Amino acid sequence: SAVISQKPSRDICQRGTSLTIQCQVDSQVTMMFWYRQQPGQSLTLIATANQGSEATYESGFVIDKFPISRPNLTFSTLTVSNMSPEDSSIYLCSVERQGAGANVLTFGAGSRLTVL
Amino acid sequence: LAKTTQPISMDSYEGQEVNITCSHNNIATNDYITWYQQFPSQGPRFIIQGYKTKVTNEVASLFIPADRKSSTLSLPRVSLSDTAVYYCLVGDGNTPLVFGKGTRLSVIA
Repeated sequence: SAVISQKPSRDICQRGTSLTIQCQVDSQVTMMFWYRQQPGQSLTLIATANQGSEATYESGFVIDKFPISRPNLTFSTLTVSNMSPEDSSIYLCSVERQGAGANVLTFGAGSRLTVL
Repeated sequence: LAKTTQPISMDSYEGQEVNITCSHNNIATNDYITWYQQFPSQGPRFIIQGYKTKVTNEVASLFIPADRKSSTLSLPRVSLSDTAVYYCLVGDGNTPLVFGKGTRLSVIA
């Protein structure tokens, strides 16, 4: 299965700043997914990123707050803009596992953001 | 998307078999049932997937009755390292996965 590298693995940020999270995959993939996991909670899908088109955002998430780039088939970035303490979460990148069944995803280790 | 319901938490002693049941009453004909495991500070990891009857791999077994309205993940002879959150999801692969609250399994020595 694909190997996913996320950067940074963790960061402490000041309120009002923005942070960009990078997701690098070791193989070409069509779709990449960005999830958020707030402390003690389950995962919530933020958006789906397709190469060559705008990301598709889930209800409650907007492009101005979480702009996503997908410049090629192995890389994506998620920016958390104008951060507030409520944005303190783990942000996870995932891709579909090639050759596996439907809904089989591989996840990165996540980026743990703490906003002060 | 079909909604899933699982127990919030379960406890087990080492060496026991653990069965986690997931309810998905509104599962659609094209939906598969997929289970993930998540350890603290890690992303979820795929465990097993099935459509009907029984599926077994090196990690777990998945039992799905004929009506497919529920499924049971079976972990044989759990160890302390199986302490994790287990998520049951259903979907047809055409829409992104939606994670429920999961089941927090605690294995006790």
